[in-house]
Amino acid sequence: EAQVTQNPRYLITVTGKKLTVTCSQNMNHEYMSWYRQDPGLGLRQIYYSMNVEVTDKGDVPEGYKVSRKEKRNFPLILESPSPNQTSLYFCASSLGGGAGETQYFGPGTRLLVL
Amino acid sequence: KQEVTQIPAALSVPEGENLVLNCSFTDSAIYNLQWFRQDPGKGLTSLLLIQSSQREQTSGRLNASLDKSSGRSTLYIAASQPGDSATYLCAVRDGGRRALTFGSGTRLQVQP
Repeated sequence: EAQVTQNPRYLITVTGKKLTVTCSQNMNHEYMSWYRQDPGLGLRQIYYSMNVEVTDKGDVPEGYKVSRKEKRNFPLILESPSPNQTSLYFCASSLGGGAGETQYFGPGTRLLVL
Repeated sequence: KQEVTQIPAALSVPEGENLVLNCSFTDSAIYNLQWFRQDPGKGLTSLLLIQSSQREQTSGRLNASLDKSSGRSTLYIAASQPGDSATYLCAVRDGGRRALTFGSGTRLQVQP
């Protein structure tokens, strides 16, 4: 089954404790990205990757890191989480950049930073 | 900077009604527009994608239209069912970016 998977689905942590949220897709997609969803603010892009070893900042990159060492994986790293990073995080992927290409989203990771 | 607005924010209708959800965007130079459905605690499911050169797309009971010049899209749901209850999100992709700009969504409840 074609899908985007994220782990963990739920995470409670404390301020300053490094964490990684994994994202994997099995559709051989080139483009992957991370969004966060907050009440009243909608979904906003954090980082994106056009292909292996090619990443760039989205609209709200502060406090996050990413890497793209393999085509299928795009982990999101919070080196020193803070309470304002409490949010619902989504990973997304698409085949490339064509106008007719749908973006596929993972199930989300709900993060609480105490 | 692109801004996407969805009206209404919430909608409750009895089962069987036809309904229209609205989406407007400020910059008409879009690449495409997608409608998503989000169920509580779940991810986003893509419903319809309209390319900038298209006027509408249909899938089953759903029909989405796009008027790029006026910066508007509508999602029409025919013969609504309780299973349609969810939050519907509109997202546009600008010509120069891969990122999607999302609206805040319309929370739909269909009463049996």
